[in-house]
Amino acid sequence: NAGVTQTPKFQVLKTGQSMTLQCAQDMNHNSMYWYRQDPGMGLRLIYYSASEGTTDKGEVPNGYNVSRLNKREFSLRLESAAPSQTSVYFCASSDHNSPLHFGNGTRLTVT
Amino acid sequence: QKEVEQDPGPLSVPEGAIVSLNCTYSNSAFQYFMWYRQYSRKGPELLMYTYSSGNKEDGRFTAQVDKSSKYISLFIRDSQPSDSATYLCAMNLSGGYNKLIFGAGTRLAVHP
Repeated sequence: NAGVTQTPKFQVLKTGQSMTLQCAQDMNHNSMYWYRQDPGMGLRLIYYSASEGTTDKGEVPNGYNVSRLNKREFSLRLESAAPSQTSVYFCASSDHNSPLHFGNGTRLTVT
Repeated sequence: QKEVEQDPGPLSVPEGAIVSLNCTYSNSAFQYFMWYRQYSRKGPELLMYTYSSGNKEDGRFTAQVDKSSKYISLFIRDSQPSDSATYLCAMNLSGGYNKLIFGAGTRLAVHP
């Protein structure tokens, strides 16, 4: 039982490059989330998916797109990476009566 | 002003000390309050969850909520080196765990 799995663990991009962060959960949760964590800022919600087939913006959605591929998988795409997107990205999942379960993060550096 | 303020520390204490971690918030509508623990290079994990005002105890951990002062606390008794981590407070308006607002986290180091 892996919980929430994020790939890749580390990534370095040049400004303007694109990439997709992958997330999969095996807990049969309905809701999935993408957060970014920056020093001094805490975790900030980028996008979330309350259930399969729906996605909504969070606090900091600009520069990102998401896809809820199926119930298990929720991906985050950076179309044209900027240095301001250097961060640690966490995917999480939950159900109505369960706490957020987080993956171990993707550390992204944009140069 | 951030909705949730948390002193980033770092906080350094000897093993066995009582640790007090705190957050203040500005939105009086917050109803649900949580504490997450995050070890280095790992994702946060839920430690404590409380609804509205009052205290909740779980082993060495006690969570307190004072809604009149918009202030929440986490106390750790008999602290251990394994408690060394970053502690994040989180809260939201409605039931469930969705769309949490997090504090920046306090880094705690417990020395043997």
